[in-house]
Amino acid sequence: SQQGEEDPQALSIQEGENATMNCSYKTSINNLQWYRQNSGRGLVHLILIRSNEREKHSGRLRVTLDTSKKSSSLLITASRAADTASYFCAPTGGTSYGKLTFGQGTILTVHP
Amino acid sequence: GAGVSQSPRYKVAKRGQDVALRCDPISGHVSLFWYQQALGQGPEFLTYFQNEAQLDKSGLPSDRFFAERPEGSVSTLKIQRTQQEDSAVYLCASSPRWGAEDQETQYFGPGTRLLVL
Repeated sequence: SQQGEEDPQALSIQEGENATMNCSYKTSINNLQWYRQNSGRGLVHLILIRSNEREKHSGRLRVTLDTSKKSSSLLITASRAADTASYFCAPTGGTSYGKLTFGQGTILTVHP
Repeated sequence: GAGVSQSPRYKVAKRGQDVALRCDPISGHVSLFWYQQALGQGPEFLTYFQNEAQLDKSGLPSDRFFAERPEGSVSTLKIQRTQQEDSAVYLCASSPRWGAEDQETQYFGPGTRLLVL
């Protein structure tokens, strides 16, 4: 299965701190995507990292990928209350059309 | 531009009723996906369309679930004889044609929250 498993299940931090979430998966992938879900904006794509990439940045987001360990991490720097959401990883591969398989997600709470 | 829209946003059905959930994808998007999200869980894949062709329906939980996209744009997910275990949020997502810069990104709608009593 391509399903990613996020860790920890829940994370609570203060505004300004960094948040790190991890994702593990079991089979080879073409790419891995991170999505965020909150009540206000639904499920939103954050970043995609390809299997031949090791690190990618987008604003305050930094994603790493270690295909030898079949794991990825998402770092959010200088967190804000608005970052409060559930974060899901979606490793992709095995189909030609990009079907996504999500884990249970990491619930991030950022306290003002 | 307009994002993916879904209607209704909320639906309450009595057990045994049929329901129809609508998805309007982003204009021009070739791929359309339906997902089911139970409370506290991640979304689970239901079915996939490329234009009007339903290429993968492996995630549909039973033959009570049926999806269509007859003209390759709007899609409808129909659930017949609803059961309490069908209560969930149903998410629709679309993505552009292969070759587009964001071909692998899925753009999600706000979802339809279905409650079966």
